[in-house]
This record gives sequence, structure tokens and C-alpha cells, in this order.
Amino acid sequence: DAGVTQSPTHLIKTRGQHVTLRCSPISGHKSVSWYQQVLGQGPQFIFQYYEKEERGRGNFPDRFSARQFPNYSSELNVNALLLGDSALYLCASSLSGGYEPQHFGDGTRLSIL
Amino acid sequence: AQRVTQPEKLLSVFKGAPVELKCNYSYSGSPELFWYVQYSRQRLQLLLRHISRESIKGFTADLNKGETSFHLKKPFAQEEDSAMYYCALKTSGSRLTFGEGTQLTVNP
Repeated sequence: DAGVTQSPTHLIKTRGQHVTLRCSPISGHKSVSWYQQVLGQGPQFIFQYYEKEERGRGNFPDRFSARQFPNYSSELNVNALLLGDSALYLCASSLSGGYEPQHFGDGTRLSIL
Repeated sequence: AQRVTQPEKLLSVFKGAPVELKCNYSYSGSPELFWYVQYSRQRLQLLLRHISRESIKGFTADLNKGETSFHLKKPFAQEEDSAMYYCALKTSGSRLTFGEGTQLTVNP
């Protein structure tokens, strides 16, 4: 079991740029969620997708968007990057997005200069 | 709105001592609570969930709806328990609301 895989592991961008982060769920998992973890804080929910449909959205600006593909992998896109977007971005997958446990990836460390 | 509070950012105990990591929540619905753990250089992983009422690695947690708490306990801490612990509340779908975490250090 490869677990949840995320790419890239690290990324450095400058203010105003755009970034795309990728996530492959555990085989058989159809739900993917994204979280932002700022240093010293707990993860904060951004999005949940299930069967390519958005199931939930956290309190993030419209600069943040995501999508899920037919193979259940997912992308998180962030436009017009700000210094405050510097964080660890975590992806989690679960079977159906219901009450079963979520499994987390190692995250993508995004640094904005 | 839902909220999870972990009042201690840092907690240090000696090996063999009891340990309790505190978690309080606020949520108007029926809560489902979890403890996640992150060992050094490892990914975030589920430790236990209240609905399963199981003991994992000697840890237990009881949901107290009257006090809106879900404290994590272990009677005898081990050095390998040193890690960051997050309490999390599940609301709709898969949305998890996390506390800020408690860094537990178990000293030899």
C-alpha cells in the first residue's frame, strides 16, 4: 500500500505567482480532502472532493481552487500567491468521505518569497 | 461554529508517569472526535476515534459531552510516545477541525 502520495514535496514561489499541488489517494479511495497547516498550528480544512464533486469548502478565498479527476487524484490550485500562503499543504483520502478515517500524505511544503 | 481547543502547546513527563493531553470542543451537533499523532519525520496518522472505544498503544480517550472534552490518557508514558498530538472534530462529510496540537516529550 503506497499510501497517499503528494507532489512536489517542496516548492518555492514568489508573490503573485500561481501554484498547482497534486495528490494521489490510496487505491480504492474516492474522497480527497485538502488542508493547510501553517507553522505552529493545526491543519485547517480547505476542500473536500468526492466522485469529482466538491463536497465542502473551508474559509479560504477564491484564489484557492481544486478539482478531482476520474482516477480520483486531485489538484489544488492557488493563484496570486501571498506571503501568508506559505505553509504545509496536506492531502487526505478516505473511502467515501463519510465517517471512515482519513489517511494523510506527507504534504507539500510551499514557501513564498 | 465548531472549535477545538488544546490548551497545552507543550507537555513534558518522565517515562513511566501518567500522561493526559487535554482537548475541549464546541459543536452544536453530535460530535465525532479523533486523536491524530505525528511522530518525528512521519506523516500525520490516526491514533484513535471515540466511536471505536478502543485502546491504541495504551492510549484511551473518553468523550464527555457534559464537559465537551475528549482528553487523551495513558497510564505509563514511554519514550516512543514523544510526538505531536492533534485532537480533531469531524463535522460534515470528511471535514476535520483540528486543535493547535500538543507536543509531548517523554523524558528518560
